[in-house]
Amino acid sequence: GAVVSQHPSWVICKSGTSVKIECRSLDFQATTMFWYRQFPKQSLMLMATSNEGSKATYEQGVEKDKFLINHASLTLSTLTVTSAHPEDSSFYICSYSRGRGETQYFGPGTRLLVL
Amino acid sequence: GENVEQHPSTLSVQEGDSAVIKCTYSDSASNYFPWYKQELGKRPQLIIDIRSNVGEKKDQRIAVTLNKTAKHFSLHITETQPEDSAVYFCAASFDTGTASKLTFGTGTRLQVTL
Repeated sequence: GAVVSQHPSWVICKSGTSVKIECRSLDFQATTMFWYRQFPKQSLMLMATSNEGSKATYEQGVEKDKFLINHASLTLSTLTVTSAHPEDSSFYICSYSRGRGETQYFGPGTRLLVL
Repeated sequence: GENVEQHPSTLSVQEGDSAVIKCTYSDSASNYFPWYKQELGKRPQLIIDIRSNVGEKKDQRIAVTLNKTAKHFSLHITETQPEDSAVYFCAASFDTGTASKLTFGTGTRLQVTL
């Protein structure tokens, strides 16, 4: 397997504030990481692909100016939810794989509640 | 893009019985099919996977079959136990750039009753 950590594990914030979530690969230098969002009792939806040293690739319907992704090093990718609103409340999970066609390993997730 | 359908959405079996979950995918370019188990509030955990050049794979009580022609793959759990109760997701992966994107099915909530 692989080791992926996320911080924080949960966060409660007021509407209009920004929240940063960190995702770290602890045993591998990941060129590519992925960010997913999961609403209660729903599946995982890919938000964006985070590429080290370049701009993230966002899925259709995901606002790149609202969900800022920075993959500044091979072991760290961050997702910032800007001006969060209650509808952004969700479970955010990162993952990475060792390469094309390889297994994706998931972080423990961050539960965001926007009041 | 890829579309993955998963059935059933809920499945209740008695302990010791078998459980089967089925998925279909739309993109013939997909070449990797993992299955994940997710317990409440936890991360998805890989339980088994299969690649497009293989028709069947087994790991103890868990097996996966793949029919590339029909574009469907299935998860089989035999001798189910209460700890198998969870949500199971299938996924299909196709290569893009330096990594492979996953598209998930809608999930199956499996309940194993005593």
